Amino acid sequence: EIVLTQSPATLSLSPGERATLSCRASQSVSSYLAWYQQKPGQAPRLLIYDASNRATGIPARFSGSGSGADFTLTISSLEPEDFAVYYCQQRRNWPLTFGGGTKVEIK
Amino acid sequence: QVQVEQSGAEVKKPGTSVKVSCKASASTFSSYAVSWVRQAPGQGLEWMGGIVPISATTKNAPKFQGRVTITADELTSTIYMELSSLTSEDTGVYYCARERGGNPGSSPRDLDYWGQGTLVTVSS
Repeated sequence: EIVLTQSPATLSLSPGERATLSCRASQSVSSYLAWYQQKPGQAPRLLIYDASNRATGIPARFSGSGSGADFTLTISSLEPEDFAVYYCQQRRNWPLTFGGGTKVEIK
Repeated sequence: QVQVEQSGAEVKKPGTSVKVSCKASASTFSSYAVSWVRQAPGQGLEWMGGIVPISATTKNAPKFQGRVTITADELTSTIYMELSSLTSEDTGVYYCARERGGNPGSSPRDLDYWGQGTLVTVSS
């Protein structure tokens, strides 16, 4: 199965700062990579699919890039509601797999 | 409107089984695949398997093969996930989620609408 490694594990930033999250795959997943946001006590929410496409209703400050095995989620200017855990997920092969998550916390 | 509503919390003894339900809107049931994802306390997300409800075609993660059964009831637009031989390591929140895009079951997908989650606690 494809293993996804996210870094860093924790990102400490202030509102208004730029956040850059990384996801690396153990083999190429082409562009079949998604990003999710999860807040405590809530289900995950799809942010980005197929590496760079924003899901319905997702603000433009969220953007995704990359292909092959290296991907990035960028939040251009952090809003208070953006502090959460972010997961990447590949759909290149079954089984679907997720990265271990990056927690974006308030500095 | 997309609706994905799950059953309530469960407490189970080790060695028993749990069956969690996920009621979907009619459009979801007829046109999309649905996956099950679990999250152990304080941990990440883990895909368990999925089903194309209209055809009852399933695919399971190797880790859960032989222990998970995913079914669908067309009459009630409800999808079920049953996990057997429970241990304390199965404690967690179980989510159902719609797989994005048409032609369900043809390829792996990401998950665009999620249920609220069902807490399963396994304890003696």
